[in-house]
Amino acid sequence: KQEVTQIPAALSVPEGENLVLNCSFTDSAIYNLQWFRQDPGKGLTSLLLIQSSQREQTSGRLNASLDKSSGRSTLYIAASQPGDSATYLCAVRERDDYKLSFGAGTTVTVRA
Amino acid sequence: NAGVMQNPRHLVRRRGQEARLRCSPMKGHSHVYWYRQLPEEGLKFMVYLQKENIIDESGMPKERFSAEFPKEGPSILRIQQVVRGDSAAYFCASSPLIQGRSTDTQYFGPGTRLTVL
Repeated sequence: KQEVTQIPAALSVPEGENLVLNCSFTDSAIYNLQWFRQDPGKGLTSLLLIQSSQREQTSGRLNASLDKSSGRSTLYIAASQPGDSATYLCAVRERDDYKLSFGAGTTVTVRA
Repeated sequence: NAGVMQNPRHLVRRRGQEARLRCSPMKGHSHVYWYRQLPEEGLKFMVYLQKENIIDESGMPKERFSAEFPKEGPSILRIQQVVRGDSAAYFCASSPLIQGRSTDTQYFGPGTRLTVL
C-alpha cells in the first residue's frame, strides 16, 4: 500500500525567502507525481505534474524535482510572497491505477 | 468552460439524517472520483465511477455510503444515518476519456464540507 509523507507539516518564513517542501513515498512504481495547492475552505489547484520518466518540472517561481528510486520529491518556491501562504499537497498515481494517494500536506505561512 | 462543480458547499446534518452530495464534472468528462479529507489528514480515495458504472469502490465504507453517476445529471454521494465521524470535506474530481484510458490529470471541485452535529 502506497504511503505518502510530507515534512514538515507546517512552515513559516519571512517574505522573500525560498521555500523547500518535501514529499516521500514508499512504493517507487509510480506513474506520476503531482503537487497541489489548497487554500482554506477551497478546492485543489494543480501546480505541477511530473511523469515518472521526468526528473523535474518548472513553472514560474515553482520547481519540482522527482527522484523515483529514492521515493522523494521536492517542491521549491523561489522568493516567497504572502500570497504563497496555503497548504501544499503531494499526490502520487501508481502504475496501472488511477486513484491518487495524497500526503497530509505542508501548511505554509509567508510573513510580510 | 466551467470547472468541476459541487453542491452544496457546506452541509450541516444532525446525527441519523441523510447527506446527499452532488458533483457535476467538467464538460466532456466521463470519469468521476470522490475523495474524503478528514481534519488534519490527506485526501483519501473513496470511489471511482464512469457513467452508470461503479468501477472501484474500495475506499468507501461498506455501510451507509453509496455513490452513483447516472446517464443524465450529476454524480451523487449519499451518506445515510450520518455520524459525527462523517464530518469532513468531500472532494469530487473528474477526468476525460481519451483512447479508452483515463488521462493523467484529475480536475478537482471546491469540495463539500459536511458537519454532523
